[in-house]
Amino acid sequence: GNSVTQMEGPVTLSEEAFLTINCTYTATGYPSLFWYVQYPGEGLQLLLKATKADDKGSNKGFEATYRKETTSFHLEKGSVQVSDSAVYFCACYVAGNNRKLIWGLGTSLAVNP
Amino acid sequence: EPEVTQTPSHQVTQMGQEVILRCVPISNHLYFYWYRQILGQKVEFLVSFYNNEISEKSEIFDDQFSVERPDGSNFTLKIRSTKLEDSAMYFCASSGQGAFYEQYFGPGTRLTVT
Repeated sequence: GNSVTQMEGPVTLSEEAFLTINCTYTATGYPSLFWYVQYPGEGLQLLLKATKADDKGSNKGFEATYRKETTSFHLEKGSVQVSDSAVYFCACYVAGNNRKLIWGLGTSLAVNP
Repeated sequence: EPEVTQTPSHQVTQMGQEVILRCVPISNHLYFYWYRQILGQKVEFLVSFYNNEISEKSEIFDDQFSVERPDGSNFTLKIRSTKLEDSAMYFCASSGQGAFYEQYFGPGTRLTVT
Protein backbone atom coordinates (compact mmCIF):
# COMPACT_ATOMS: atom_id res chain seq x y z
CA GLY A 1 0.00 0.00 0.00
CA ASN A 2 0.87 3.67 -0.13
CA SER A 3 2.99 5.00 2.72
CA VAL A 4 5.19 7.90 3.77
CA THR A 5 8.27 7.61 5.94
CA GLN A 6 9.97 10.60 7.46
CA MET A 7 12.90 10.94 9.78
CA GLU A 8 12.17 10.72 13.43
CA GLY A 9 12.59 13.69 15.68
CA PRO A 10 12.94 15.65 17.65
CA VAL A 11 15.41 17.73 15.72
CA THR A 12 17.12 20.51 17.66
CA LEU A 13 19.10 23.18 15.85
CA SER A 14 20.64 26.52 16.58
CA GLU A 15 19.35 29.58 14.78
CA GLU A 16 20.80 29.98 11.28
CA ALA A 17 21.68 26.30 11.02
CA PHE A 18 20.86 24.25 7.92
CA LEU A 19 17.82 22.02 8.11
CA THR A 20 17.06 18.76 6.34
CA ILE A 21 14.08 16.58 7.15
CA ASN A 22 14.04 13.41 5.10
CA CYS A 23 10.88 12.03 3.57
CA THR A 24 10.43 9.02 1.31
CA TYR A 25 7.26 7.61 -0.10
CA THR A 26 5.86 4.39 -1.47
CA ALA A 27 3.01 4.90 -3.87
CA THR A 28 1.55 3.59 -7.06
CA GLY A 29 1.36 5.88 -10.02
CA TYR A 30 2.45 9.48 -9.77
CA PRO A 31 1.65 10.96 -6.40
CA SER A 32 1.51 14.61 -5.47
CA LEU A 33 3.70 15.41 -2.47
CA PHE A 34 3.21 17.91 0.31
CA TRP A 35 4.83 19.29 3.40
CA TYR A 36 2.49 20.55 6.11
CA VAL A 37 3.54 22.46 9.21
CA GLN A 38 1.88 22.56 12.59
CA TYR A 39 2.96 25.39 14.86
CA PRO A 40 2.42 24.93 18.60
CA GLY A 41 -1.26 25.04 19.44
CA GLU A 42 -2.34 25.52 15.85
CA GLY A 43 -3.74 23.47 13.00
CA LEU A 44 -2.15 22.09 9.87
CA GLN A 45 -0.90 24.51 7.27
CA LEU A 46 0.29 23.63 3.82
CA LEU A 47 3.93 24.66 3.58
CA LEU A 48 4.76 23.58 0.04
CA LYS A 49 3.89 21.05 -2.60
CA ALA A 50 5.11 19.38 -5.79
CA THR A 51 2.91 17.56 -8.24
CA LYS A 52 5.33 15.90 -10.64
CA ALA A 53 8.86 14.58 -10.82
CA ASP A 54 11.64 17.18 -10.56
CA ASP A 55 9.22 19.86 -9.39
CA LYS A 56 10.57 22.00 -6.58
CA GLY A 57 8.15 23.35 -4.03
CA SER A 58 9.20 26.39 -2.04
CA ASN A 59 7.77 28.71 0.57
CA LYS A 60 9.11 30.82 3.46
CA GLY A 61 12.68 29.79 2.65
CA PHE A 62 11.84 26.08 2.71
CA GLU A 63 12.36 23.91 -0.35
CA ALA A 64 11.70 20.33 -1.36
CA THR A 65 12.33 18.61 -4.68
CA TYR A 66 10.23 15.71 -5.94
CA ARG A 67 12.77 12.97 -6.77
CA LYS A 68 11.08 10.07 -8.46
CA GLU A 69 14.28 8.05 -8.85
CA THR A 70 14.78 7.99 -5.07
CA THR A 71 11.07 8.36 -4.18
CA SER A 72 12.00 11.23 -1.91
CA PHE A 73 10.79 14.71 -1.03
CA HIS A 74 13.26 16.00 1.55
CA LEU A 75 12.56 19.34 3.20
CA GLU A 76 15.43 21.83 3.43
CA LYS A 77 16.03 25.32 4.69
CA GLY A 78 19.34 27.09 4.56
CA SER A 79 19.03 29.12 7.74
CA VAL A 80 16.37 28.29 10.32
CA GLN A 81 14.84 30.76 12.72
CA VAL A 82 13.33 30.32 16.16
CA SER A 83 9.93 30.92 14.59
CA ASP A 84 10.37 27.77 12.48
CA SER A 85 9.97 25.62 15.59
CA ALA A 86 7.04 23.36 14.75
CA VAL A 87 6.10 19.85 13.70
CA TYR A 88 6.57 19.12 10.01
CA PHE A 89 4.53 16.48 8.22
CA CYS A 90 5.26 14.95 4.85
CA ALA A 91 2.20 13.68 2.97
CA CYS A 92 1.31 12.24 -0.39
CA TYR A 93 -1.79 11.97 -2.48
CA VAL A 94 -2.36 9.43 -5.23
CA ALA A 95 -4.99 10.36 -7.77
CA GLY A 96 -7.94 8.12 -8.25
CA ASN A 97 -11.01 7.18 -6.33
CA ASN A 98 -9.05 7.32 -3.13
CA ARG A 99 -8.63 11.00 -2.29
CA LYS A 100 -7.15 10.76 1.14
CA LEU A 101 -3.76 12.08 2.13
CA ILE A 102 -1.21 9.58 3.38
CA TRP A 103 0.82 11.07 6.23
CA GLY A 104 4.23 10.63 7.71
CA LEU A 105 4.60 10.53 11.47
CA GLY A 106 5.76 14.12 11.72
CA THR A 107 9.11 15.54 12.74
CA SER A 108 9.34 17.97 15.61
CA LEU A 109 11.82 20.81 15.10
CA ALA A 110 13.06 23.02 17.90
CA VAL A 111 15.26 25.99 17.00
CA ASN A 112 17.23 27.59 19.80
CA PRO A 113 18.40 31.21 19.73
CA GLU B 1 -8.02 34.35 1.43
CA PRO B 2 -10.78 31.77 1.92
CA GLU B 3 -10.30 29.41 4.82
CA VAL B 4 -11.84 26.40 6.48
CA THR B 5 -13.36 27.13 9.87
CA GLN B 6 -14.20 24.74 12.69
CA THR B 7 -16.24 25.05 15.84
CA PRO B 8 -15.85 24.66 18.70
CA SER B 9 -12.13 25.00 19.17
CA HIS B 10 -12.28 22.83 22.27
CA GLN B 11 -15.01 20.44 23.37
CA VAL B 12 -15.04 18.59 26.66
CA THR B 13 -17.57 15.80 27.05
CA GLN B 14 -18.25 12.84 29.28
CA MET B 15 -17.82 9.29 28.09
CA GLY B 16 -20.95 8.00 26.43
CA GLN B 17 -22.20 11.41 25.35
CA GLU B 18 -22.81 12.45 21.77
CA VAL B 19 -20.75 15.22 20.23
CA ILE B 20 -21.05 17.08 16.96
CA LEU B 21 -18.04 18.79 15.50
CA ARG B 22 -18.75 21.44 12.93
CA CYS B 23 -16.85 22.64 9.91
CA VAL B 24 -17.44 25.22 7.24
CA PRO B 25 -15.39 24.27 4.18
CA ILE B 26 -14.23 26.70 1.53
CA SER B 27 -17.32 27.67 -0.40
CA ASN B 28 -16.54 26.35 -3.89
CA HIS B 29 -14.91 23.13 -2.74
CA LEU B 30 -16.54 19.79 -3.46
CA TYR B 31 -14.58 17.27 -1.41
CA PHE B 32 -14.61 17.19 2.35
CA TYR B 33 -12.60 15.24 4.88
CA TRP B 34 -12.15 14.53 8.53
CA TYR B 35 -8.82 13.58 10.05
CA ARG B 36 -7.83 13.13 13.63
CA GLN B 37 -4.59 13.41 15.54
CA ILE B 38 -4.23 11.80 18.92
CA LEU B 39 -1.83 13.83 21.02
CA GLY B 40 1.74 13.19 19.94
CA GLN B 41 0.78 10.79 17.17
CA LYS B 42 0.39 10.93 13.43
CA VAL B 43 -2.51 12.41 11.56
CA GLU B 44 -5.05 9.72 10.66
CA PHE B 45 -7.62 9.78 7.90
CA LEU B 46 -11.19 9.21 9.03
CA VAL B 47 -13.51 9.84 6.12
CA SER B 48 -13.91 11.59 2.79
CA PHE B 49 -17.20 12.93 1.46
CA TYR B 50 -18.26 13.92 -2.03
CA ASN B 51 -21.59 14.49 -3.73
CA ASN B 52 -23.46 14.01 -0.48
CA GLU B 53 -22.06 10.61 0.27
CA ILE B 54 -19.05 8.99 1.85
CA SER B 55 -16.30 8.27 -0.66
CA GLU B 56 -14.06 6.36 1.67
CA LYS B 57 -13.75 5.68 5.34
CA SER B 58 -11.01 4.22 7.45
CA GLU B 59 -11.27 1.38 9.94
CA ILE B 60 -11.40 4.01 12.68
CA PHE B 61 -14.67 5.34 11.28
CA ASP B 62 -16.97 2.74 12.80
CA ASP B 63 -20.70 2.85 13.46
CA GLN B 64 -20.21 5.40 16.21
CA PHE B 65 -19.18 8.00 13.65
CA SER B 66 -21.27 9.73 11.04
CA VAL B 67 -20.89 12.71 8.77
CA GLU B 68 -23.43 15.02 7.27
CA ARG B 69 -23.66 18.07 5.08
CA PRO B 70 -26.96 19.43 6.38
CA ASP B 71 -26.95 22.54 4.20
CA GLY B 72 -24.81 24.18 1.56
CA SER B 73 -22.12 25.32 3.93
CA ASN B 74 -21.68 23.09 6.97
CA PHE B 75 -20.01 19.70 7.24
CA THR B 76 -20.38 17.86 10.52
CA LEU B 77 -18.82 14.89 12.28
CA LYS B 78 -20.96 13.18 14.90
CA ILE B 79 -19.69 10.73 17.46
CA ARG B 80 -22.71 9.00 18.98
CA SER B 81 -21.27 7.61 22.18
CA THR B 82 -17.83 8.97 22.93
CA LYS B 83 -15.06 6.85 24.40
CA LEU B 84 -11.94 7.95 26.21
CA GLU B 85 -9.86 6.98 23.20
CA ASP B 86 -11.78 9.43 21.03
CA SER B 87 -9.89 12.23 22.73
CA ALA B 88 -7.93 13.86 19.93
CA MET B 89 -7.64 16.87 17.70
CA TYR B 90 -10.09 16.59 14.82
CA PHE B 91 -9.29 18.39 11.61
CA CYS B 92 -11.69 19.15 8.81
CA ALA B 93 -10.34 19.72 5.31
CA SER B 94 -11.75 20.54 1.91
CA SER B 95 -10.50 20.51 -1.64
CA GLY B 96 -11.65 21.51 -5.10
CA GLN B 97 -11.45 19.61 -8.33
CA GLY B 98 -8.37 19.35 -10.45
CA ALA B 99 -5.75 17.05 -11.82
CA PHE B 100 -3.64 17.58 -8.74
CA TYR B 101 -4.90 18.02 -5.34
CA GLU B 102 -4.55 20.29 -2.36
CA GLN B 103 -6.44 20.03 0.86
CA TYR B 104 -7.06 23.05 3.03
CA PHE B 105 -7.32 22.37 6.73
CA GLY B 106 -9.26 24.03 9.45
CA PRO B 107 -7.65 24.92 12.79
CA GLY B 108 -9.03 21.80 14.44
CA THR B 109 -11.31 20.96 17.34
CA ARG B 110 -9.69 19.51 20.40
CA LEU B 111 -12.04 16.88 21.83
CA THR B 112 -11.47 15.79 25.39
CA VAL B 113 -13.51 12.85 26.67
CA THR B 114 -13.51 12.42 30.43
